[in-house]
Amino acid sequence: EVQLVESGGGLVQPGGSLRLSCAASGFTFSSSWMGWVRQAPGKGLEWVANIKQDGKEKYYVDSVKGRFTISRDNAKSTLYLQVNSLRAEDTAVYYCARHGYFVFDIWGQGTMVTVSS
Amino acid sequence: DIQMTQSPSSLSASVGDRVTITCRASQSTSSYLNWYQRKPGKAPKLLIYGASSLQSGVPSRFSGSGSGTDFTLTISSLQPEDFATYYCQQSYSIPWTFGQGTKVEIK
Repeated sequence: EVQLVESGGGLVQPGGSLRLSCAASGFTFSSSWMGWVRQAPGKGLEWVANIKQDGKEKYYVDSVKGRFTISRDNAKSTLYLQVNSLRAEDTAVYYCARHGYFVFDIWGQGTMVTVSS
Repeated sequence: DIQMTQSPSSLSASVGDRVTITCRASQSTSSYLNWYQRKPGKAPKLLIYGASSLQSGVPSRFSGSGSGTDFTLTISSLQPEDFATYYCQQSYSIPWTFGQGTKVEIK
């Protein structure tokens, strides 16, 4: 079964950090572009970051550049998102997704990040 | 950045109705336009890619059309399981951007 399972979310104070993880199964992770998409409460979907198969190309939305880092471990079929210097506006459900040919075709269930004092 | 604008933001419809949702891009995205369905508590689901290609396993009552800046998602006969929020997304250029969503509710 094709599956993406996120973990690592939680409640964190402004300025804090978290590392989100996404475990992939059922497809060839090492051959896939991967990405993170988030949805803030009551808001729409927002693409956050993407990473190439070998990890050498990474792209970010401007609002997270310098604070978030996407990475991957192909041996473990796991995607990561290190989120630092968190702000209230980063509060959202974070989804891991496979970025196929110009499309997010497989999605996880999401992990909630709440930034609050 | 390419801005995506959907209309309407919400609509009420009955089972069996034909439903049309439009998506307009602030600049041409060629046919790099995708549609997703999002139900509460569930992961987004890809419905249409490349403006008009139906994702495997998606019912044929869903269809997409358009190119350039104007796109349409049509549900030919609304079913109870189709009540959800629908998002368009351009994959023409980074940053990939989504529309604000269209919530389809039961009339």
